[in-house]
Amino acid sequence: EVQLVESGGGLVQPGGSLRLSCAASGFTVSSNYMSWVRQAPGKGLEWVSVIYSGGSTYYADSVKGRFTISRDNSKNTLYLQMNSLRAEDTAVYYCARVGTMVRGGPRSYYFDYWGQGTLVTVSS
Amino acid sequence: EIVLTQSPGTLSLSPGERATLSCRASQSVSSSYLAWYQQKPGQAPRLLIYGASSRATGIPDRFSGSGSGTDFTLTISRLEPEDFAVYYCQQYGSSPRGFTFGPGTKVDIK
Repeated sequence: EVQLVESGGGLVQPGGSLRLSCAASGFTVSSNYMSWVRQAPGKGLEWVSVIYSGGSTYYADSVKGRFTISRDNSKNTLYLQMNSLRAEDTAVYYCARVGTMVRGGPRSYYFDYWGQGTLVTVSS
Repeated sequence: EIVLTQSPGTLSLSPGERATLSCRASQSVSSSYLAWYQQKPGQAPRLLIYGASSRATGIPDRFSGSGSGTDFTLTISRLEPEDFAVYYCQQYGSSPRGFTFGPGTKVDIK
């Protein structure tokens, strides 16, 4: 059974740092694309970052240069290092596996499994 | 960067009615790259549709997706009580690489 369990959220002051973890089971993190998606209180979903199986990483403009996605293959765990945090980074952060499928056209990419989320609050 | 717009913002319907949700892209999107999710309060999103029209594992056949180019639709043929939720469309971009979500449509009980 595929499971994703996030941890590491909490209250942090503006300008501070936090590292989120996402422990995976039932599949191999390094063989999949993995992503972080966040949701500010009462708002919609916002994609944050993705790491490809080959190791390439991509970020939303809103976090580029401040956040770093990585993984530990030995622990089968995904991470999000968040630096220079701002009030607008306050959100529930979800890790998600990127599923893929080919059906007669370009390969599809979508989020097929999600963790339960961890809340990050940036406030003084 | 492709922007997704969803309409209506809120859809008020009764159980048993048909729901039609729209997702419009600011430029043409490969249908392979379009997905739909359902989210209930306090829960993580759940994948419903990928590749614009393929149902995810375990999704009831009352959910269907269609569309191409810039216009995509999620249809719920007969609303069940558990279908009242927020629905998001999402696209994958190859240039720049990344994902984009629409703002969501809330389906609530009339």
